[in-house]
Amino acid sequence: DQQVKQNSPSLSVQEGRISILNCDYTNSMFDYFLWYKKYPAEGPTFLISISSIKDKNEDGRFTVFLNKSAKHLSLHIVPSQPGDSAVYFCAASSGRRQTSYDKVIFGPGTSLSVIP
Amino acid sequence: GAVVSQHPSWVICKSGTSVKIECRSLDFQATTMFWYRQFPKQSLMLMATSNEGSKATYEQGVEKDKFLINHASLTLSTLTVTSAHPEDSSFYICSARSAHQPQHFGDGTRLSIL
Repeated sequence: DQQVKQNSPSLSVQEGRISILNCDYTNSMFDYFLWYKKYPAEGPTFLISISSIKDKNEDGRFTVFLNKSAKHLSLHIVPSQPGDSAVYFCAASSGRRQTSYDKVIFGPGTSLSVIP
Repeated sequence: GAVVSQHPSWVICKSGTSVKIECRSLDFQATTMFWYRQFPKQSLMLMATSNEGSKATYEQGVEKDKFLINHASLTLSTLTVTSAHPEDSSFYICSARSAHQPQHFGDGTRLSIL
């Protein structure tokens, strides 16, 4: 049973426009969410995170929105750039206590292509 | 710069041999390290969680005798794939974290068993 879902395996966006990547989760115990970016043959790179006590977190061109009642989060990238083309993984954990033992559950990823 | 180093990045070996993969945190003490496996076009699947000085916790379906994990220090964890077979061919990725920090990932190891 997939606890973290990314229903769009791929997304194409024109350079300069907004990219919106969606993620849904089923486990109500999750309270810490992360987005990772991954290029081929490399490990994922941490992008941005959000705690369940917030509904929005912004870092430069990247903004993550969290809707707890809908168990949904989204990553907005604006403006999109060709270098943003990568696979984006949504991840979640029950990290309220922020212990070192917390597992992170990853979604299947969405491949973003930003067209110049 | 990279905060987690994984070595080797690519290895090809014959069926039946054992392969060791190292994961090092470069500028922080990692109380916990994680090992993942990724099949083509699929997500990262957690194999095991490794805490320094204690036995690793394996996920359901992962053979602990097949995938030996040692977390000898706060900066080093190793994964040994014992008696590797072609079905073990995959992309293995480690990550490391300290308390209150997100996981930082290595660049992965492409393992090909002939």
